[in-house]
Amino acid sequence: EAGVAQSPRYKIIEKRQSVAFWCNPISGHATLYWYQQILGQGPKLLIQFQNNGVVDDSQLPKDRFSAERLKGVDSTLKIQPAKLEDSAVYLCASSFNQGQVAGYTFGSGTRLTVV
Amino acid sequence: GQSLEQPSEVTAVEGAIVQINCTYQTSGFYGLSWYQQHDGGAPTFLSYNALDGLEETGRFSSFLSRSDSYGYLLLQELQMKDSASYFCAVDRAAGNKLTFGGGTRVLVKP
Repeated sequence: EAGVAQSPRYKIIEKRQSVAFWCNPISGHATLYWYQQILGQGPKLLIQFQNNGVVDDSQLPKDRFSAERLKGVDSTLKIQPAKLEDSAVYLCASSFNQGQVAGYTFGSGTRLTVV
Repeated sequence: GQSLEQPSEVTAVEGAIVQINCTYQTSGFYGLSWYQQHDGGAPTFLSYNALDGLEETGRFSSFLSRSDSYGYLLLQELQMKDSASYFCAVDRAAGNKLTFGGGTRVLVKP
């Protein structure tokens, strides 16, 4: 079974620029999550999708962050404009359904550095 | 608010046993998960406890006491490859929302 694919692996941008990350979940996984992991901290949930609908985006800074999952498969997360404090690893995860308790499968993440 | 407390770092030698404690205070609780993350890698799922008691999976075991809002991960027969960060995470809505602790960095020495 292929894992969760994310790209790019690394990205360096200047503050106030925009950036986009892409995620392709495991085939058949209806639920997709984006997490932000700042160095030395645990991952923090940004947004959760069920198919192509948003389930929870309460922790997404909506003034600069946006995400979509138009066809209920792959997803993009965008930051515009980026701030220095957005430097982090952005992790995508997927699960078969919302009630799955056997754990998410995470991708390897995109490491963003804002300079 | 939500808070999960776990030690920041633990050092042990190969073959030893390490216990990583996690205390939590969250709105909503369905279960406690544990994830392992090597430097630069993805978090990988280790275990999940929904009910009180001990769950054993090979060299790793996880324990939960819901009444004490406490759990731990037990790593036995430590190997060098176990050097990683370990995160506890509370499932606040039946698989929907994970709130992670700050992580415990485990360093295994020869």
